[in-house]
Amino acid sequence: AQSVAQPEDQVNVAEGNPLTVKCTYSVSGNPYLFWYVQYPNRGLQFLLKYITGDNLVKGSYGFEAEFNKSQTSFHLKKPSALVSDSALYFCAVRDKGSNQGGKLIFGQGTELSVKP
Amino acid sequence: DTAVSQTPKYLVTQMGNDKSIKCEQNLGHDTMYWYKQDSKKFLKIMFSYNNKELIINETVPNRFSPKSPDKAHLNLHINSLELGDSAVYFCASSQVGLAGGGEQYFGPGTRLTVT
Repeated sequence: AQSVAQPEDQVNVAEGNPLTVKCTYSVSGNPYLFWYVQYPNRGLQFLLKYITGDNLVKGSYGFEAEFNKSQTSFHLKKPSALVSDSALYFCAVRDKGSNQGGKLIFGQGTELSVKP
Repeated sequence: DTAVSQTPKYLVTQMGNDKSIKCEQNLGHDTMYWYKQDSKKFLKIMFSYNNKELIINETVPNRFSPKSPDKAHLNLHINSLELGDSAVYFCASSQVGLAGGGEQYFGPGTRLTVT
């Protein structure tokens, strides 16, 4: 069965410092991996994805994520956090070999708080 | 130009009523989804339609009935509403089957409150 774990419910960072939001996954085959961000009272916005190839993927708003197959992780990173990055972040996985119509499995979300 | 839109944004109703939420996407995607986000922000897929055909139906009470009149629209009808149905419902769409991974694009959500 597919699953995603985001081990931290909350991450606190000072503005200007680097940030990391952790994600580990479990799939039977090869994964597609995604990060989404949700601002208060808004829908989820797609940030970036890993499909294949380079393990470091870059996305919107200066975010990047590193795929690590041996550790089954896909941590979200940003070199310098902004107060406006404060939001709820979701990691999601999809099994490449799955015929379940594009079904994503989401982690439980990590609340990122960036203080000035 | 909104990619995935939902109406209404807010829905307040009493137990036992029947209500519908509508969703439209203008991205030309072939697959649409309904998700439920509970009070703890946990996101759970409910249904998925691919080209008007039901693909995913995740242990959802049969009081919930999706309908897809065409591949750009996916509506959700809920009968006999219960207190536990209170949540935010999100519609999403994606293009499945491409080598690009099929990321999903979400609507703004419908906050349903059952009293």
